[in-house]
Amino acid sequence: DQQVKQNSPSLSVQEGRISILNCDYTNSMFDYFLWYKKYPAEGPTFLISISSIKDKNEDGRFTVFLNKSAKHLSLHIVPSQPGDSAVYFCAATPTNAGGTSYGKLTFGQGTILTVHP
Amino acid sequence: DAGITQSPRHKVTETGTPVTLRCHQTENHRYMYWYRQDPGHGLRLIHYSYGVKDTDKGEVSDGYSVSRSKTEDFLLTLESATSSQTSVYFCAISSTGQMSGYTFGSGTRLTVV
Repeated sequence: DQQVKQNSPSLSVQEGRISILNCDYTNSMFDYFLWYKKYPAEGPTFLISISSIKDKNEDGRFTVFLNKSAKHLSLHIVPSQPGDSAVYFCAATPTNAGGTSYGKLTFGQGTILTVHP
Repeated sequence: DAGITQSPRHKVTETGTPVTLRCHQTENHRYMYWYRQDPGHGLRLIHYSYGVKDTDKGEVSDGYSVSRSKTEDFLLTLESATSSQTSVYFCAISSTGQMSGYTFGSGTRLTVV
């Protein structure tokens, strides 16, 4: 059972426009969320995160929005650049809710973003 | 570079043979993880370690074992490789185990024929 889902396998946008990547989760215990970016033949790299006590976190061109009631998060990239072309994974974890998560992240399937010049 | 190295980077092996993948870190991080990446599944946790000799199973642990005899090394062993274990394997490290992001290695592409 896929607890974290990225329903769009791919997304294509024009340089300078906004890219919006979406992620849905089903596990109510998840309360910390992360986005990773992956280039071919490399490991994923951390991009941005958000705690469930917030509904928005911004870092430069990257903003993550969290809608807890809908169990939905999104990553906005503005403006998009050709170098942003990569696979984007969202991930989720419960924080220490009476137990210890040991940082075990549950990942979505990934979305391939292509930014055209 | 974050000081995490996976070896080998590529390996082709035959069904039924044992295979060991190595993850080596120079960051002295407590937590280490093995994930596999497959199309349509993203990354799935195989095993993880929260200290020397302290390991536990992840989501897809069947057919895999791990060992961590020292802080810097986390070994993943496929006791008897099967074609379903053809995948890209990523090791990751974390200092706190929670809240902070992982640092991933560059991956090992394993093909079982």
